[in-house]
Amino acid sequence: GENVEQHPSTLSVQEGDSAVIKCTYSDSASNYFPWYKQELGKRPQLIIDIRSNVGEKKDQRIAVTLNKTAKHFSLHITETQPEDSAVYFCAASSTLRELIFGQGTELSVKP
Amino acid sequence: DSGVTQTPKHLITATGQRVTLRCSPRSGDLSVYWYQQSLDQGLQFLIHYYNGEERAKGNILERFSAQQFPDLHSELNLSSLELGDSALYFCASSADSRFPYEQYFGPGTRLTVT
Repeated sequence: GENVEQHPSTLSVQEGDSAVIKCTYSDSASNYFPWYKQELGKRPQLIIDIRSNVGEKKDQRIAVTLNKTAKHFSLHITETQPEDSAVYFCAASSTLRELIFGQGTELSVKP
Repeated sequence: DSGVTQTPKHLITATGQRVTLRCSPRSGDLSVYWYQQSLDQGLQFLIHYYNGEERAKGNILERFSAQQFPDLHSELNLSSLELGDSALYFCASSADSRFPYEQYFGPGTRLTVT
């Protein structure tokens, strides 16, 4: 089955800096890669996703890149703000299947 | 607000007991997925229902079961509860009728087993 590895587990940056979180997946059949942001005690919220036929996607300060050959994808947050502090999860799935999540990255943005 | 609702928000119960968690998907979504989130295990997939039928099982214990009703709401039943079952239980819904397959999560049920 699919296995998703996520790094780093914790990340601390200064406000205004960029943050990068990386994930690798194992199943070449996976074709959908979402990223979720979860604040303490709250639901995971979908912030951006990418499909296997796309190499990069951007939405304001966040972007995701996908390298199918290497089976890895990354989340990039630019101009970080304190409200970006949360736990971020990457995930992978294939058609009509469940999400397999990475272990999560706790991002702390220091003002 | 994702449009997915879950009840109850909190549940405190004793070991050996049985509880039922309820999830209502977004309007029009046919799929319901259940996930368990604990501190040491992260977000783990439990079970997936699509339009009333079980589609896939993940790391779901035999003491746990689920079903999806004709109105598409779903219930997760947890029995013979153990201390280790304490966790946040999320359901997520998805249209799953075509690409994309975004899953939207409900607010979760926090289960505490004492």
